[in-house]
Amino acid sequence: DAKTTQPNSMESNEEEPVHLPCNHSTISGTDYIHWYRQLPSQGPEYVIHGLTSNVNNRMASLAIAEDRKSSTLILHRATLRDAAVYYCILRDDTGNQFYFGTGTSLTVIP
Amino acid sequence: NAGVTQTPKFQVLKTGQSMTLQCAQDMNHEYMSWYRQDPGMGLRLIHYSVGAGITDQGEVPNGYNVSRSTTEDFPLRLLSAAPSQTSVYFCASSYSIIRGTGELFFGEGSRLTVL
Repeated sequence: DAKTTQPNSMESNEEEPVHLPCNHSTISGTDYIHWYRQLPSQGPEYVIHGLTSNVNNRMASLAIAEDRKSSTLILHRATLRDAAVYYCILRDDTGNQFYFGTGTSLTVIP
Repeated sequence: NAGVTQTPKFQVLKTGQSMTLQCAQDMNHEYMSWYRQDPGMGLRLIHYSVGAGITDQGEVPNGYNVSRSTTEDFPLRLLSAAPSQTSVYFCASSYSIIRGTGELFFGEGSRLTVL
């Protein structure tokens, strides 16, 4: 089973960029890298996903290492509403099982 | 659009009781799944379904049953509740089962306490 490793917690100052790292050394060639975040007392919500190339959307950017064994979620300007637990997830070959780790709890300091 | 709706939001059970957590989605998603979230454990997949009449086990299926008779509904049944099943349960659905793609849409969760 493909798994991910993330730091337990990180802090960022408001309006500064945040780089959230994720290691996935056992990733297979067909695994997509997904990121979700979970605000307090809510279900997780989708942030971004990618396979090999870096990806950008309105919420964040995803930088994927050339060997695909690690990735970084980039929030360009952290706001207080970005305080959440961020999960880096690999979607397996069938696309049917998501493996969530324990995630990174992001604290945004005003 | 209601998205993914879970009921009940809170439930207290006694050991040995049975109950069903309901999950419904109105997005015509083929894929539906159930997760449990325990403190410090992240989310773990219990069961999933790729379409009506098709279900499969996830990471932690023991003690739970599921069925998928319609595209919209995916109930999770606890036949004999145990304290170890105290957790927050999330239902999630996705429009696509194409490999690697398709975002999951989550419900708001159901908090279950088993005494």
